[in-house]
Amino acid sequence: QVQLVESGGGVVQPGGSLRLSCAASGFTFRNYGMHWVRQAPGKGLEWVAFMRYDGSNKYYADSVKGRFTITRDNSKNTVYLQMNSLRPEDTAVYYCAKDPNGYNWSYMDYWGQGTLVTVSP
Amino acid sequence: EIVLTQSPGTLSLSPGETVTLFCRASQSVGSSSLAWYQQKPGQAPRLLMYGASSRATAIPDRFIGGGSGSDFTLTISRLEPEDFAVYYCLHYGNSPLTFGGGTKVDIK
Repeated sequence: QVQLVESGGGVVQPGGSLRLSCAASGFTFRNYGMHWVRQAPGKGLEWVAFMRYDGSNKYYADSVKGRFTITRDNSKNTVYLQMNSLRPEDTAVYYCAKDPNGYNWSYMDYWGQGTLVTVSP
Repeated sequence: EIVLTQSPGTLSLSPGETVTLFCRASQSVGSSSLAWYQQKPGQAPRLLMYGASSRATAIPDRFIGGGSGSDFTLTISRLEPEDFAVYYCLHYGNSPLTFGGGTKVDIK
């Protein structure tokens, strides 16, 4: 069965950096696009980033463009989110999610359980 | 950016009732690129519908998605206790992908 397990969350000061990881299993990782989605405490869902199956194209929400970078290592079945210049408003649970397609984005069909990032002095 | 507005914000219902949730887009969503998710407290979202009206794997036929263009609905028939949750719509027709603000369905 599809499993996505995020790690790397924690508490970081404003302006700091953090790298999240998402280890995938139960499907042929290299064939599918991957998303990051976040949810601030008590709030709704916000799409953050998408990467194609081969890493050739990446897309970002305006709120994180230039600060966050999505990457993947298909040999390790893992997708990453490098987060720099963090702000208090980046505080959220970060979910990785699988796309049913590989080339262009569509919806998210499987989600991990999320990892909490807290940006606070 | 396409803005999705969900209504109502909150509904209080009893098990066995039928409910329709609404999701309106600020412009037409291409090729019915609209999905619905269910989220329970402390859990990740769960895919219910994609392509506006296609049920995801293992989703019971009590859940029916409909609509096109800029107006979409999710109807849940015969509410079961496990259906009380927050529901979100997602547009994925173009970037950026956007979610609606959610509709909370709670027990009366």
